[in-house]
Amino acid sequence: GAGVSQSPRYKVAKRGQDVALRCDPISGHVSLFWYQQALGQGPEFLTYFQNEAQLDKSGLPSDRFFAERPEGSVSTLKIQRTQQEDSAVYLCASSRDAETQYFGPGTRLLVL
Amino acid sequence: GDSVTQMEGPVTLSEEAFLTINCTYTATGYPSLFWYVQYPGEGLQLLLKATKADDKGSNKGFEATYRKETTSFHLEKGSVQVSDSAVYFCALRPTNAGKSTFGDGTTLTVKP
Repeated sequence: GAGVSQSPRYKVAKRGQDVALRCDPISGHVSLFWYQQALGQGPEFLTYFQNEAQLDKSGLPSDRFFAERPEGSVSTLKIQRTQQEDSAVYLCASSRDAETQYFGPGTRLLVL
Repeated sequence: GDSVTQMEGPVTLSEEAFLTINCTYTATGYPSLFWYVQYPGEGLQLLLKATKADDKGSNKGFEATYRKETTSFHLEKGSVQVSDSAVYFCALRPTNAGKSTFGDGTTLTVKP
């Protein structure tokens, strides 16, 4: 079956622009996670949804980062007024039970 | 807070050599422990997991045992193949929590 998909796969933004990153989880997966992965490091947790409820947003680095999942399926991570330090790979994962997470290919964001 | 420490890489081995990648963790309670693998050009995939002390996770010839007394979850394989070349991430997930904490990854290269 289809796995987790993310779009766009690559995004180049000028400093100060807003960006929106999309995640399509595996159908039927209740839990959805966003992670940020800097070059040469492991993924860092950003936020977690169970259905449409955002249960944990403790990892969002600033109020420029906002995530939503309005219908409990597709999720969007929005970054306002992008900065160079936002350059990273943004990973989405979904899970049926919050235990085993299935990761998407990631969106590579480069802020110039 | 929770943390995961992996042995630094890169690790280079000859085919059929024995592999150990060390992983230690700091967490309260009894987290679940995971190894993820990222093959070149692909997304993160779950390799194996263990959910309680003394459990052994295994998959594709890889094994790791949950050692609570040493807070470790070392990854081992008896005979590596060229196709095992990838980046390996150790991770933990606290009980009843969504977020996972990852190590920084260990790059393994296996030469024929």
